[in-house]
Amino acid sequence: AQKITQTQPGMFVQEKEAVTLDCTYDTSDQSYGLFWYKQPSSGEMIFLIYQGSYDEQNATEGRYSLNFQKARKSANLVISASQLGDSAMYFCAMRGGTSGTYKYIFGTGTRLKVLA
Amino acid sequence: DTEVTQTPKHLVMGMTNKKSLKCEQHMGHRAMYWYKQKAKKPPELMFVYSYEKLSINESVPSRFSPECPNSSLLNLHLHALQPEDSALYLCASSQDVSAYNEQFFGPGTRLTVL
Repeated sequence: AQKITQTQPGMFVQEKEAVTLDCTYDTSDQSYGLFWYKQPSSGEMIFLIYQGSYDEQNATEGRYSLNFQKARKSANLVISASQLGDSAMYFCAMRGGTSGTYKYIFGTGTRLKVLA
Repeated sequence: DTEVTQTPKHLVMGMTNKKSLKCEQHMGHRAMYWYKQKAKKPPELMFVYSYEKLSINESVPSRFSPECPNSSLLNLHLHALQPEDSALYLCASSQDVSAYNEQFFGPGTRLTVL
């Protein structure tokens, strides 16, 4: 069975500082994708970053980077230089490749609050 | 165009009403999804369409009826809903159902069932 675990229900960070949101996963698939989404209070899920299981380098997208440690089954999101607009719910998600499932498995989310 | 649109943004309906939610994308994506999201919870998958065919129904009650008229459109027909069906309904699309393709989500429809 596939599972995503986000152990931080809420996080605070000072504006302009970096913050790491934790995500661990469990899967028997050899190939899979890991994703992070941001959901502001407006409700829309915004895709942030993707890491494939066979990618050897950590993914980066602007201020977002994904710290991928395959052996530890972790895919932490690092946000550098936090901005007030980063305050939102963040979901880690996984999609398996070989088991035939098309489903995204979402974690329970981490609510991030950026302080001025 | 990297946008998924959903209408309406808000919907209030009685338990005897029939209504429809609409979703549209023009990114050429061949997979489309409906999710239900309750407050402070992650999205829950309801349906997956792949190349306009229903490929996954996550044991959703029959009062929810999906329809994919063409590759750009996805509808969710609602009938005889219950108050516990009140939630944010999110539509998403992806290039296909591969593990490596991100899903793009619409802004959602906030549904209230009275």
